[in-house]
Amino acid sequence: ETGVTQTPRHLVMGMTNKKSLKCEQHLGHNAMYWYKQSAKKPLELMFVYSLEERVENNSVPSRFSPECPNSSHLFLHLHTLQPEDSALYLCASSQDIGGPGGYTFGSGTRLTVV
Amino acid sequence: AQTVTQSQPEMSVQEAETVTLSCTYDTSESDYYLFWYKQPPSRQMILVIRQEAYKQQNATENRFSVNFQKAAKSFSLKISDSQLGDAAMYFCAYRSLYGAQKLVFGQGTRLTINP
Repeated sequence: ETGVTQTPRHLVMGMTNKKSLKCEQHLGHNAMYWYKQSAKKPLELMFVYSLEERVENNSVPSRFSPECPNSSHLFLHLHTLQPEDSALYLCASSQDIGGPGGYTFGSGTRLTVV
Repeated sequence: AQTVTQSQPEMSVQEAETVTLSCTYDTSESDYYLFWYKQPPSRQMILVIRQEAYKQQNATENRFSVNFQKAAKSFSLKISDSQLGDAAMYFCAYRSLYGAQKLVFGQGTRLTINP
């Protein structure tokens, strides 16, 4: 395993449903991230957490609600999504916000909104 | 804001040959980090190679090397002796030393290895 685990791997939800994506890392990293990966578009950064504090929110619609209860876990709560929200949602972590290291990514959750 | 551009949506190469993937970026900063990530069908993004802008020497990792041209804001990836397992999407990424220091990605290049 990669060190960053995302569940579920696949998710199909209706527009009126509420679901949550989970991300877990046991690398001792202090920063965690949510990215959205849509077809033919660059990865879009959604949220950044450092030591459980949100440090960046890139104009993400309120139907996406992140939660970071501790430095090892990150959630993305979903409600009343739109079909255009269908995408691969990637979680990543890094030792800290700064520094030369790259990110460690999970394998993503493939979300389909019907 | 920084931007990263990968102008080759798709590339293909014969097995055992060499291929170069292009990446350019736009920034006003003098210090930053550049990365190449690989995303195979398993979907996990894997770090291939990293370059610190203050280092003039090009980074190398086994069969992977970069050509970092700071003045031209160019950061290409060379894969030597291509193997079937190298088939994947390749993403170039920029990381600032300031602010939230987030990774900014290019659009990606899909690399196919022909046996």
